[in-house]
Amino acid sequence: GAGVSQSPRYKVAKRGQDVALRCDPISGHVSLFWYQQALGQGPEFLTYFQNEAQLDKSGLPSDRFFAERPEGSVSTLKIQRTQQEDSAVYLCASSLASQGETQYFGPGTRLLVL
Amino acid sequence: QKEVEQDPGPLSVPEGAIVSLNCTYSNSAFQYFMWYRQYSRKGPELLMYTYSSGNKEDGRFTAQVDKSSKYISLFIRDSQPSDSATYLCAMIEGGSYIPTFGRGTSLIVHP
Repeated sequence: GAGVSQSPRYKVAKRGQDVALRCDPISGHVSLFWYQQALGQGPEFLTYFQNEAQLDKSGLPSDRFFAERPEGSVSTLKIQRTQQEDSAVYLCASSLASQGETQYFGPGTRLLVL
Repeated sequence: QKEVEQDPGPLSVPEGAIVSLNCTYSNSAFQYFMWYRQYSRKGPELLMYTYSSGNKEDGRFTAQVDKSSKYISLFIRDSQPSDSATYLCAMIEGGSYIPTFGRGTSLIVHP
């Protein structure tokens, strides 16, 4: 595809449920980022992959959050035992170079935890 | 106090107006400065990327960086209703790849 795609676009989960969010980056892009965007706020960094290697996960808010990119393309962000404070838009971005200053964002997955 | 401060607005202007959007920051290590536009229910889209102090122009958009004052601006000339969106500033420290975003300013351009 032409851009970064994410699925599902919307997800409603009951508190305590596990969720998996998928990101398809632009083909050939080395770097992949996950962000969390709360309502009325800017995106907050969660984690960064260079190819299949997760080089930085310092932004993951708890050990309930886990991300993977096993073949260096598609990435999945998993949230276990969801809590209401996890409700946010989860954005994925990819970039061609390892520096990543020009990032292309997907439309996001809007997660609502009830 | 957050590292990057940005007034959330909303900022409402008539079509054709010159718009000025601003961010201040406290971290002297920021070296790269960006402006993103985010439409409702969409991901951010990079508009401008600058490194040094000074001005950078691209069509109707001008980005300005003043490192001595820790202040960046985005100017939009001849604003259009299609410019109505949230504008996010973002900054990256030298040697890093993780941007720090402002909270965004909501802009409304009415016909």
